[in-house]
Formats: sequence, C-alpha cells, structure tokens
Amino acid sequence: QQQVKQSPQSLIVQKGGISIINCAYENTAFDYFPWYQQFPGKGPALLIAIRPDVSEKKEGRFTISFNKSAKQFSLHIMDSQPGDSATYFCAASKLTGANSKLTFGKGITLSVRP
Amino acid sequence: KAGVTQTPRYLIKTRGQQVTLSCSPISGHRSVSWYQQTPGQGLQFLFEYFSETQRNKGNFPGRFSGRQFSNSRSEMNVSTLELGDSALYLCASSLAGLSGYTFGSGTRLTVV
Repeated sequence: QQQVKQSPQSLIVQKGGISIINCAYENTAFDYFPWYQQFPGKGPALLIAIRPDVSEKKEGRFTISFNKSAKQFSLHIMDSQPGDSATYFCAASKLTGANSKLTFGKGITLSVRP
Repeated sequence: KAGVTQTPRYLIKTRGQQVTLSCSPISGHRSVSWYQQTPGQGLQFLFEYFSETQRNKGNFPGRFSGRQFSNSRSEMNVSTLELGDSALYLCASSLAGLSGYTFGSGTRLTVV
C-alpha cells in the first residue's frame, strides 16, 4: 500500500522555467509534509516542509502549496536552474507520537536544461 | 558542525553472509533512523532509535536489526544476506523528532 504518491515520474524543464511536482497522500492523520532533494552519491537533504495549518509556504525559489481537502501538496521551483537537477522526494508523517516515521514518495528526477 | 557520518561507504558481500553498518549522528542528536533506498521501492523505513531504545520499526524481516549506543551512535546489522538486500542504506539523525532530519550519504551494499 503506497501511502504517498508522486507525479510525474520524471520532469524536464528549461532553465528559467517553473518546475512543479505533485504529491498525494492517503492518511488523514499526517500533519507534517517535507520535500527532500537528493543528488547522486548523497543522502536526501530537507528542502522545505509544511504543516496543514497553512496553505502555502515559500523559501527562496521553493514554494509548497498544500490542499488539505484534496490530500495533495506540491513543490514549485521558480526560475529553475541546471543546479536544481536532482531527485525530489515528498514525504508525510505524523510529527509526534510513538509510531511517527516519514513515509516517502518514490521520487521524481528533475532535469533542468541550460 | 560535522554532519551524519556513515561507514563504510561501499560494501560488497556474498549471499548468506552478515553485515554491520555504522552511523554517527550529528553531535547532540539523540534520534537515529535507518532507511533502505532501492530504485524499485524508493525509501523505506527500517527502524528508529532514541536514547538507546528502539522507538519504531518498519516492515522488514527479523534479519534486519539495529542498536544505539550511549553516545547515540547506531549500528544496523543484516544477517543471512540475500541478493535483494542490495541497496543504499541511509541513516538520519535529529534532536528528537522528524523535523530537522539530516541524512548521511549512505552505505552502498551490494550482495553477490
């Protein structure tokens, strides 16, 4: 049972364009939604995260949009750069509680063409 | 500030052997979690340790085990290795919970 689903599976964007990655979750108890970025040979690194009490959060060129009723959230990368080429994972969890753990989507590969 | 350190970076083992992987968390972090990453299944949660106690466990067979020491360093062990255990094993540490998770670069295990 895949509790967190990402789309698309891969994405190619021109430099300067907007990259949009979507994520859908099933468990309504989830209350923490981070996005991670992973480069080859490295572990995932936290990019930005959101709680369900807000609908949008922006940090630099990265924005998370959150739709609680649709159980969806998305990552927008503005002014995409070749250095943004990486694998992106969305994740979800209950932030607190004995059984809290991050459930990850399968990841999408973003390629930003110069 | 040193990050999460995982050793070794690469390992090649033969089917049936056992292996131990090590993780040194960021200084002061008491929570250590382990994940298995494969192309087909993505990132899957193995277990979490906090103050030397296993706090949470994923859906992996008993061949996968772990422990945490008093200095918060953690080890995971896989016994009777199978070809399907070939993966990148990632360790993540945090002060107490899930926010502020920092991953190491992982140990690439190849079982032949």
